[in-house]
Amino acid sequence: AQSVTQPDIHITVSEGASLELRCNYSYGATPYLFWYVQSPGQGLQLLLKYFSGDTLVQGIKGFEAEFKRSQSSFNLRKPSVHWSDAAEYFCAVGAPGTASKLTFGTGTRLQVTL
Amino acid sequence: DAGVIQSPRHEVTEMGQEVTLRCKPISGHNSLFWYRQTMMRGLELLIYFNNNVPIDDSGMPEDRFSAKMPNASFSTLKIQPSEPRDSAVYFCATSGAGTSQPQHFGDGTRLSIL
Repeated sequence: AQSVTQPDIHITVSEGASLELRCNYSYGATPYLFWYVQSPGQGLQLLLKYFSGDTLVQGIKGFEAEFKRSQSSFNLRKPSVHWSDAAEYFCAVGAPGTASKLTFGTGTRLQVTL
Repeated sequence: DAGVIQSPRHEVTEMGQEVTLRCKPISGHNSLFWYRQTMMRGLELLIYFNNNVPIDDSGMPEDRFSAKMPNASFSTLKIQPSEPRDSAVYFCATSGAGTSQPQHFGDGTRLSIL
């Protein structure tokens, strides 16, 4: 069975600092990988996705993520965090060939200090 | 473009009452997913439909829960009778045709069972 681990429950960074959110997955093959962001009282918004090809993917709002097969990781990064980035971030995996049945991580809550 | 529309946004009702949550998918999307989000269990997939047909309902917690998709533009999730432990945020998400289409989420229904 596929699983996703987000080891950091809560992260605090200063505005303007760089950010890296960790995601590790367990799956027999390379799964489809996603990062979503959830602001309070709202649904999840897709930041970026990886299916195949270039292992560094660019997303919306200046975010990027790098797929590392050897580490079974798909970490999310941003060079300079803005206060509006404060939210909860979810990593998700889906079986290859389908983006249907996703397994979500438990989320990382990002706090941004001014 | 209109996103996934869920109603109501908030529902407070007493234990034992029937609860109906509604979802209008993005036009043209043919897959629909119902999720439940709680602090304890995170984001759980309850059921998903493809072309109005239920494909996987293994996440439905018990017989008190039922979901229907009578047509391509409407789905309901019903709980009867409701219990306090059903209190959660329920999300509907939809995706377009094809195995690589990401899911788009509605803003959710916050359900409180007293």
